[in-house]
Order: sequence, then C-alpha cells, then structure tokens
Amino acid sequence: GAVVSQHPSWVICKSGTSVKIECRSLDFQATTMFWYRQFPKQSLMLMATSNEGSKATYEQGVEKDKFLINHASLTLSTLTVTSAHPEDSSFYICSALGGGTSETQYFGPGTRLLVL
Amino acid sequence: AQSVTQLGSHVSVSEGALVLLRCNYSSSVPPYLFWYVQYPNQGLQLLLKYTSAATLVKGINGFEAEFKKSETSFHLTKPSAHMSDAAEYFCAVKAGGYNKLIFGAGTRLAVHP
Repeated sequence: GAVVSQHPSWVICKSGTSVKIECRSLDFQATTMFWYRQFPKQSLMLMATSNEGSKATYEQGVEKDKFLINHASLTLSTLTVTSAHPEDSSFYICSALGGGTSETQYFGPGTRLLVL
Repeated sequence: AQSVTQLGSHVSVSEGALVLLRCNYSSSVPPYLFWYVQYPNQGLQLLLKYTSAATLVKGINGFEAEFKKSETSFHLTKPSAHMSDAAEYFCAVKAGGYNKLIFGAGTRLAVHP
C-alpha cells in the first residue's frame, strides 16, 4: 500500500519549452502532496505544498509562475516547469501525505529533467 | 523552528559490521521523526518513524532507531550491514503543526566486502 508514481521518469527538453510532471497516489487518496527538488549529492528542497482543490503554497524563493502546480483530484498533482532553462535541470520528487496515517509522506520515484 | 543535523556526510562500514547513522534534531514541540533511504536515481523509501509512542522504533530491512529526548537524538542502527544497504539516508522532522518535513543533509553509507 501507499504507492506513489511519477511520470515521466526522465525527460529531456529544449530551453524555452514547458514540461509537465505528474504525481499520482495509486492506492490511497491524498489531499496534500509535496514537490521537492534535489540537486546532485544534496538533500531535498521543498518547493511547494499542493492541496487538492486549492492553490499551492510555495516556499520562499520558489517562483510560482515558473513552477505551476495543479492538484485537481485526490490522486493527482502536476508540476509544470514553464519556459524551462538549463538551470532548471534537476531531480524532481513528489510525495503524498496519507495512506492511512496523517503524518507520513510517501515518495514517488522521481523525475529527472534535463534542459538543453 | 524545527531542524535536523546529520553528523557525517559519509559513513563506510564492512559487510557484517554495525551501522550507526547519527541524527540530532531541534524542535519546539514534541517531534515526529523519520528516516528515509534513497537508492541512486530513485525516490525516498520510508525506513521507520517515531510518532511519540515507543522510543525504540523498528523499521524495515533490520533497521531501528531510538528516540532520546535528553540527547535530542534519533540515531539509526543496524546490527549487521549488508551490501544492499549502500545508499543515501535522510533523517527528517515534521515541522510542527504543518505537514512539511525538514530534511537533514543526508548520509551516504558505503558497505565494503
């Protein structure tokens, strides 16, 4: 139980294009999901908290117009990197809160983004 | 405010030896604490969590951690390391009344034959 999937697992795109990453809770409903960014050999940096049916809450320093988050259903949150640039290349990981407990985050496998 | 410090960015042990990964926390409220493991190019997998019940928490893959309030510590241990334990380990604390997690910098565990 408590499985979270991400799609795609990796993506290569040209600078200036937009990329959408999906995060799904497969066997539970998640009213809250989180998006993280991880640079090589570093810890996870929380980008935003995504709540179903409401606007996402962004961490300080994260551009909300560049990283668009939509949490349209209890099992799906999407992160769209708009007008991607090479510095946006990173490993993006989502997590979902729930699966029977309210304090545990279950993580997806991550999406590696490379912007050329 | 909550924070987590992981002592030692790299730990190397021999196969069969004791694994000890250190985590100290700071929290103004009784903390919820977590240990996650990350294998290369993968997401995080929950090893174990402390949520104010038993202070000695047993997790998956033979890992356990002990919550020590007096030392503000939540160290992760495993009696006998296996090659498959080589990975990155993250300690995290739940941020007070919010559901956000504050992660430590991580400890890379290497296991040598």
